[in-house]
Amino acid sequence: GENVEQHPSTLSVQEGDSAVIKCTYSDSASNYFPWYKQELGKRPQLIIDIRSNVGEKKDQRIAVTLNKTAKHFSLHITETQPEDSAVYFCAAGSGTYKYIFGTGTRLKVLA
Amino acid sequence: SAVISQKPSRDICQRGTSLTIQCQVDSQVTMMFWYRQQPGQSLTLIATANQGSEATYESGFVIDKFPISRPNLTFSTLTVSNMSPEDSSIYLCSVGDPGRAGGYEQYFGPGTRLTVT
Repeated sequence: GENVEQHPSTLSVQEGDSAVIKCTYSDSASNYFPWYKQELGKRPQLIIDIRSNVGEKKDQRIAVTLNKTAKHFSLHITETQPEDSAVYFCAAGSGTYKYIFGTGTRLKVLA
Repeated sequence: SAVISQKPSRDICQRGTSLTIQCQVDSQVTMMFWYRQQPGQSLTLIATANQGSEATYESGFVIDKFPISRPNLTFSTLTVSNMSPEDSSIYLCSVGDPGRAGGYEQYFGPGTRLTVT
């Protein structure tokens, strides 16, 4: 069945450095790729998304890139801050509005 | 985005009993979903709650175990039936509205943390 692979599972960076999280999806019909941030004990929060008709989207310190040919998409966080520490989930969706979530990346930003 | 609430926020239940979780949205939404998030794990879709008809369940989830109601466009319930310790998890509802949100965004409720003893 369809799946989304996410790497790395954990990531530690120094404050101010960049962080990159990568996902690969299997379903060719996927055309929507959201990223969620989940802080401990909180609900997942949508932080950025990208549709299949664009290759890159940026919102302040975060950006997402998409390579449809390779079925890869990535989250880039620049100038990381301690409050960026959380678990990040990628997902792939299609016209059915169903998401397949990646396994998550625990990001720790070291002050 | 819509304001989503869930009740209860947490509960501790005895095995063999059932718990009904409520999800309330402050505006009408087209799509409502129920997810399970086991400790330290990702989110797994249980079912899509359909207004006025039976929910659409994902592989591995059945109506007898997870009956779902959706009487209108702002409310849904998920029941976890005949619970066992393996049902201990966080249950989250999410909503999406193609017409308002552009087609695909989903927003999550705060979750219900269930512990089965």
